[in-house]
Amino acid sequence: QQQVKQSPQSLIVQKGGISIINCAYENTAFDYFPWYQQFPGKGPALLIAIRPDVSEKKEGRFTISFNKSAKQFSLHIMDSQPGDSATYFCAAQTSYDKVIFGPGTSLSVIP
Amino acid sequence: DSGVTQTPKHLITATGQRVTLRCSPRSGDLSVYWYQQSLDQGLQFLIQYYNGEERAKGNILERFSAQQFPDLHSELNLSSLELGDSALYFCASTSWGGPTGELFFGEGSRLTVL
Repeated sequence: QQQVKQSPQSLIVQKGGISIINCAYENTAFDYFPWYQQFPGKGPALLIAIRPDVSEKKEGRFTISFNKSAKQFSLHIMDSQPGDSATYFCAAQTSYDKVIFGPGTSLSVIP
Repeated sequence: DSGVTQTPKHLITATGQRVTLRCSPRSGDLSVYWYQQSLDQGLQFLIQYYNGEERAKGNILERFSAQQFPDLHSELNLSSLELGDSALYFCASTSWGGPTGELFFGEGSRLTVL
């Protein structure tokens, strides 16, 4: 019930294309759904996050779509750039409690 | 710079040995998390502390232990090391009580067990 599933495991996208990463959770107590971006040799850093009272959040080229009834959420990266090449982790958490990460998606954006 | 400091950055040791990883959270952050990231693996939650008290436990081996001190820094102790313990160990901190619940990660301690 604490697991967060993430797909795909790896993704190759042409520059300018759309990258889509999907996640699913089971625990309905989760109330915060962040996405973290990790570059090689660095710690993950928060990219964008959403709470379940909204269905979509957009920040620049990054959008989270959230489907509460399906217990699914996804990250869309528009106009993908080579600098977006990184590992992306979705996560689910409850306030004051442990944060559960998905297994990660390795994104490569090729010129 | 996330404001979270982890030491050492790299550590090479032998099987059977014991090591201590140290984490200094962001100023004012009360909660510290430890994660293990093996090669090409995700972030495995180990343990969480909040203001000196253990808050949640994940898949932490009995050979591993941690604590958070009164000054809020945390240490992760790994003993009887095995080859499979080679990994990146991340510490993250958060204030909780803030609006976002964002975790701020350090740059990790890379442990190599030979």
